[in-house]
Amino acid sequence: ETGVTQSPTHLIKTRGQQVTLRCSSQSGHNTVSWYQQALGQGPQFIFQYYREEENGRGNFPPRFSGLQFPNYSSELNVNALELDDSALYLCASSSTRTTYGYTFGSGTRLTVV
Amino acid sequence: AQSVAQPEDQVNVAEGNPLTVKCTYSVSGNPYLFWYVQYPNRGLQFLLKYITGDNLVKGSYGFEAEFNKSQTSFHLKKPSALVSDSALYFCAVRDFGNQGGKLIFGQGTELSVKP
Repeated sequence: ETGVTQSPTHLIKTRGQQVTLRCSSQSGHNTVSWYQQALGQGPQFIFQYYREEENGRGNFPPRFSGLQFPNYSSELNVNALELDDSALYLCASSSTRTTYGYTFGSGTRLTVV
Repeated sequence: AQSVAQPEDQVNVAEGNPLTVKCTYSVSGNPYLFWYVQYPNRGLQFLLKYITGDNLVKGSYGFEAEFNKSQTSFHLKKPSALVSDSALYFCAVRDFGNQGGKLIFGQGTELSVKP
């Protein structure tokens, strides 16, 4: 059983640029969600995808967008990067067929300069 | 709104001593509670969850948690701490609202176990 993998592990972007982060779900999981973890904070829910559609969103602006593909992998896109977007971005997969467990990836550390 | 609170930013314990990391919650309805651990520059690792049933939940690496409905608490415990337990611990509650379900995390507690 493979876990959740995220890429890249680290990246540095300039303010105003756009970034795409990728996530491969754990085998058998059909739902993926994304979280932002700022330094010294708990993870904050960005959004969730199920059946390739967004079915839940946290308090994040529209420049945060995502995709889920038929194989349940996912992308998080952030446009017009701001310095405050610097954080660890975590992807979590889960299954609607099991008891509420979430499997998290190791995250992508994004630094905006 | 659902929420969790971790009242201690840091907990210091000597190796071999019991440890407790505190969590309180506020939910409408029955809570679905989780504990995760995070090592430096890593993602979150699942430790245990409470959905229903026995109030004492046993999880990974010798950790357990006690669900107390009257005190709205879900404290994480371990009888004998190891230096390798030093990490950041997060309590979370599942929010089933109209957002398809999400986890709401506490601010985290840094556990330091000294030899």
